[in-house]
Amino acid sequence: AQSVSQHNHHVILSEAASLELGCNYSYGGTVNLFWYVQYPGQHLQLLLKYFSGDPLVKGIKGFEAEFIKSKFSFNLRKPSVQWSDTAEYFCAVNANAGNMLTFGGGTRLMVKP
Amino acid sequence: DAGVTQSPTHLIKTRGQHVTLRCSPISGHKSVSWYQQVLGQGPQFIFQYYEKEERGRGNFPDRFSARQFPNYSSELNVNALLLGDSALYLCASSLEGGLPYEQYFGPGTRLTVT
Repeated sequence: AQSVSQHNHHVILSEAASLELGCNYSYGGTVNLFWYVQYPGQHLQLLLKYFSGDPLVKGIKGFEAEFIKSKFSFNLRKPSVQWSDTAEYFCAVNANAGNMLTFGGGTRLMVKP
Repeated sequence: DAGVTQSPTHLIKTRGQHVTLRCSPISGHKSVSWYQQVLGQGPQFIFQYYEKEERGRGNFPDRFSARQFPNYSSELNVNALLLGDSALYLCASSLEGGLPYEQYFGPGTRLTVT
């Protein structure tokens, strides 16, 4: 069965700092990869997704992620975070027909103004 | 446009009781998926329904069941509630049953079992 690991459970940054959140998955076949964000009091929202093609994908709000197949990783990055990026971030993998997602445990990001 | 709606927002039940959670997808969406999110963890897949048929099932006991109605709304039923069933139950809808259709999540139903 596939699994997703997010090793950073809590991250605290100051505004303008760079962000990188790790995501590793365990599945040997073709995968589709996602990052979701949950802002305080709001629904889960899709930040970005990778299906195929360029392994560097860009999402909303200046986020990007890089798929490194050899490392089974899909790390999320942002060059300069803002206070409004304070949220919980979830990496998710799809490796089956349909759209079942396997989520990681999430990373809580706090950005200090 | 209305997003995915779920009812009720909060629910408190006693061990052994039964609960029904409801989800209305975004208009035009034919697929509904259910996820359980225990506090401090990521969502865990329970079911997917597409065109009123079950298309996927996660690793949950038979106490969990669901169905999708002709209008594409869905119900999640949980029998013989256990304390461990306390969680946020999320519904997600998508246009069709597979990728690359994005899943849109609702606000969830917070279930507390005492």
